[in-house]
Amino acid sequence: DAMVIQNPRYQVTQFGKPVTLSCSQTLNHNVMYWYQQKSSQAPKLLFHYYDKDFNNEADTPDNFQSRRPNTSFCFLDIRSPGLGDAAMYLCATSREIQGGQETQYFGPGTRLLVL
Amino acid sequence: AQSVTQLGSHVSVSEGALVLLRCNYSSSVPPYLFWYVQYPNQGLQLLLKYTSAATLVKGINGFEAEFKKSETSFHLTKPSAHMSDAAEYFCAVTEGSSYKLIFGSGTRLLVRP
Repeated sequence: DAMVIQNPRYQVTQFGKPVTLSCSQTLNHNVMYWYQQKSSQAPKLLFHYYDKDFNNEADTPDNFQSRRPNTSFCFLDIRSPGLGDAAMYLCATSREIQGGQETQYFGPGTRLLVL
Repeated sequence: AQSVTQLGSHVSVSEGALVLLRCNYSSSVPPYLFWYVQYPNQGLQLLLKYTSAATLVKGINGFEAEFKKSETSFHLTKPSAHMSDAAEYFCAVTEGSSYKLIFGSGTRLLVRP
C-alpha cells in the first residue's frame, strides 16, 4: 500500500545533542510537511517542501532545519534539542491539484524524548 | 484569517449512543474542510473531507459530516458509538490553493461501556 513512513517511531536524545528524524513516502506526492504536536494540542506546521522549494513558517525556531534530497525522502534536523522540543513529530504529504492542494496524508509520527 | 473552533475539548458518550462533535469555521472564501482522527501515539488519519461536491459527506468507520454554509459549521456525527471510536478528533480547514491546514484544538471522544 502507498503510505507515509516515519522512522524511528520513538527517539530519545540528550539535551543539546543533534537529532535527525526521517520520513519517506511511496505516494509520489510533490509536497511534504513537518508538524510538531505537543501533548493535548493540535499539530503545528513547522515547514513544508513544494518539490525542492523549502518554505519555513515564520515562527519556526532556527533550531529546526529540514532536507529533502529527493521526492521520496524528507528529514527533520534538530540542531540542539531542548526540553521544550519533546513532542510528537508528524510528517505529511499532499499532491498539488488544479486550484489547490489535495488531502494531506500523515505518517505515524516520531515521538521525541529529550533527556 | 481562517480559524476553526471545536466546541468541547472532551465529549463522553455511551457505547451505542449518537456521537456529535462540533466544528465551526471562519473563512472568507469557500473552504475545504476535513475531519481527522488520531489514536494514541499514532498519526492523523483522514475520516472525511468536504470539497464542495456535496454538503453531506460520508467517511470511514460510519462517520459523516454535513457542511452548513449558513451556520459555518461542519459537525461530525455517527449514529452509534463503538468502543474503538475513542480517540482525538481534529477538524481542519484550508482555503482554495493554500497548502496550509488550520486545525481546531481537538476533541477527545470517550466511549463508556
